[in-house]
Amino acid sequence: KNQVEQSPQSLIILEGKNCTLQCNYTVSPFSNLRWYKQDTGRGPVSLTIMTFSENTKSNGRYTATLDADTKQSSLHITASQLSDSASYICVVSPISGGYNKLIFGAGTRLAVHP
Amino acid sequence: NAGVTQTPKFRILKIGQSMTLQCTQDMNHNYMYWYRQDPGMGLKLIYYSVGAGITDKGEVPNGYNVSRSTTEDFPLRLELAAPSQTSVYFCASSHRDRGPNEQFFGPGTRLTVL
Repeated sequence: KNQVEQSPQSLIILEGKNCTLQCNYTVSPFSNLRWYKQDTGRGPVSLTIMTFSENTKSNGRYTATLDADTKQSSLHITASQLSDSASYICVVSPISGGYNKLIFGAGTRLAVHP
Repeated sequence: NAGVTQTPKFRILKIGQSMTLQCTQDMNHNYMYWYRQDPGMGLKLIYYSVGAGITDKGEVPNGYNVSRSTTEDFPLRLELAAPSQTSVYFCASSHRDRGPNEQFFGPGTRLTVL
């Protein structure tokens, strides 16, 4: 069964510190992997998208990496800010999938404290 | 552009009541989606539409109905509310050229069924 597992479930860090969130998937083959940021009470907003052939993609202080061999992706946040407090969701698109085939992870809830 | 808008933001229903969750997008997107997000779980697709007059079931369609009479609007109907439908509902849309891979989400509707 296609699955997307994220870890940790939740994380607390101090402002200014770096952190890394993990995404393990069993979806194969897949066309792309995307990371979303979801602020409390809001809808998800896209951060990065990588095709199966890409290894890394950056968006400001956010850097996503992809290892297709181990079926792992990570999202690294540098010099965290209070506004980074949110849930981060990993989403995988199976290559054979259509509009109803996106696989969403449950998310990692990040809290950045001053 | 307002993007994807949803109303209401919050709603409490009694078991057996019915209601319609409204969703409107002003980006001229062909594709629209309804998801539900339960605590600790990834988003699950309820219904989707690839254009006016065309709808199809997602992963969890039971207990819901949709219609798509215009490009802009994609309402979700709950006919006989049940406690299992307590969730946060997100509407999303994407452009035809991007398919399901770049979805823009609304702010969500938090529904409680008592």
